Amino acid sequence: RKEVEQDPGPFNVPEGATVAFNCTYSNSASQSFFWYRQDCRKEPKLLMSVYSSGNEDGRFTAQLNRASQYISLLIRDSKLSDSATYLCVVNKGGSYIPTFGRGTSLIVHP
Amino acid sequence: NAGVTQTPKFQVLKTGQSMTLQCAQDMNHNSMYWYRQDPGMGLRLIYYSASEGTTDKGEVPNGYNVSRLNKREFSLRLESAAPSQTSVYFCASSTRENTEAFFGQGTRLTVV
Repeated sequence: RKEVEQDPGPFNVPEGATVAFNCTYSNSASQSFFWYRQDCRKEPKLLMSVYSSGNEDGRFTAQLNRASQYISLLIRDSKLSDSATYLCVVNKGGSYIPTFGRGTSLIVHP
Repeated sequence: NAGVTQTPKFQVLKTGQSMTLQCAQDMNHNSMYWYRQDPGMGLRLIYYSASEGTTDKGEVPNGYNVSRLNKREFSLRLESAAPSQTSVYFCASSTRENTEAFFGQGTRLTVV
């Protein structure tokens, strides 16, 4: 079983839609969780960290469920510019090594 | 702000040739990483360096070597390139305190 698993998609949604991605992780000792965004042929960049209490940044909301070992990302009022691949990243406990999921592709169309 | 700088951006090699990918960061980060990204596979860790003077294997280390030259620089070497090493290579760095990783712009390597 891969350490970090994501549905690759693509998720194809109209502008203005709400879309949610989930990511599961296998190592219960994992301590840090992130969502990164990667545009085509570019490097990954941090979208947001995921805290135990959940966090929100504008149209983006991230949640962590330690009991079920998954994190989620909710995007409200999707924009064309949100089209990208969203990478779930988990840092293993004790090693701080970022471990990436395969990414979920989002396509927002007019 | 330079952040993480990788060179070269593009490279074509013939099978059996060797090359070194260079990476430097100016953020005083302790940890540095090399990943490869292939279609449908996500980013896979090749090698990492938790601090200056240490290196460790990641998920896919075969065919690669690394050197942590100093705190700023972490290079990746392909001694005898193979077509299976055609990929996009990313260098990244972070502090050790579970903070975000910063990435270089990537090196697109083709081995023919």
